[in-house]
Amino acid sequence: GAGVSQSPSNKVTEKGKDVELRCDPISGHTALYWYRQSLGQGLEFLIYFQGNSAPDKSGLPSDRFSAERTGGSVSTLTIQRTQQEDSAVYLCASRPVGSGSYNEQFFGPGTRLTVL
Amino acid sequence: DAKTTQPNSMESNEEEPVHLPCNHSTISGTDYIHWYRQLPSQGPEYVIHGLTSNVNNRMASLAIAEDRKSSTLILHRATLRDAAVYYCILMWNNNNDMRFGAGTRLTVKP
Repeated sequence: GAGVSQSPSNKVTEKGKDVELRCDPISGHTALYWYRQSLGQGLEFLIYFQGNSAPDKSGLPSDRFSAERTGGSVSTLTIQRTQQEDSAVYLCASRPVGSGSYNEQFFGPGTRLTVL
Repeated sequence: DAKTTQPNSMESNEEEPVHLPCNHSTISGTDYIHWYRQLPSQGPEYVIHGLTSNVNNRMASLAIAEDRKSSTLILHRATLRDAAVYYCILMWNNNNDMRFGAGTRLTVKP
């Protein structure tokens, strides 16, 4: 079946512009995560959606960052007034959540954002 | 959140076993130990997880210390394809958010 998809795969923007990054999780996965990874660094947690619960936004670095998840499926990460330090690969992951055995995270290919 | 500590990098020779350590001295009773790895230019992928007992799967083995303050990911025969960054992560109650650390960059030499 289809995995997690993200679009665009690459985005180049100018400093000060707004960008939207999209994540299509695996169908039926109720948990969705956004991370960002700067060059040569580990993953930085940004936000976590789980079903109808309020999202865990504790990882968002500033109020320029926001995310929403519509209908419990597709998610959009928005960065307003982009800065050069926002340049990174933005990774989305989804996970089925339910009782029983462990449900692993499945990652998308990422969106490489370059802010000039 | 309980934190994990891993060496920044390790090297191994091809077809030799690799033991990747992880310290988690502040682990709580409901924290599960997870391992993911990230191959070059890819998103992370699941490797293995456990709670108290040692675990084996087709990819690796996970050895958990009796006091659970440390664990070791074991690759029985390293291949060139195993070169990746390996992340050790604690997840509360096996059903929560996941916070990745810096991981261990494994280099496999032919």
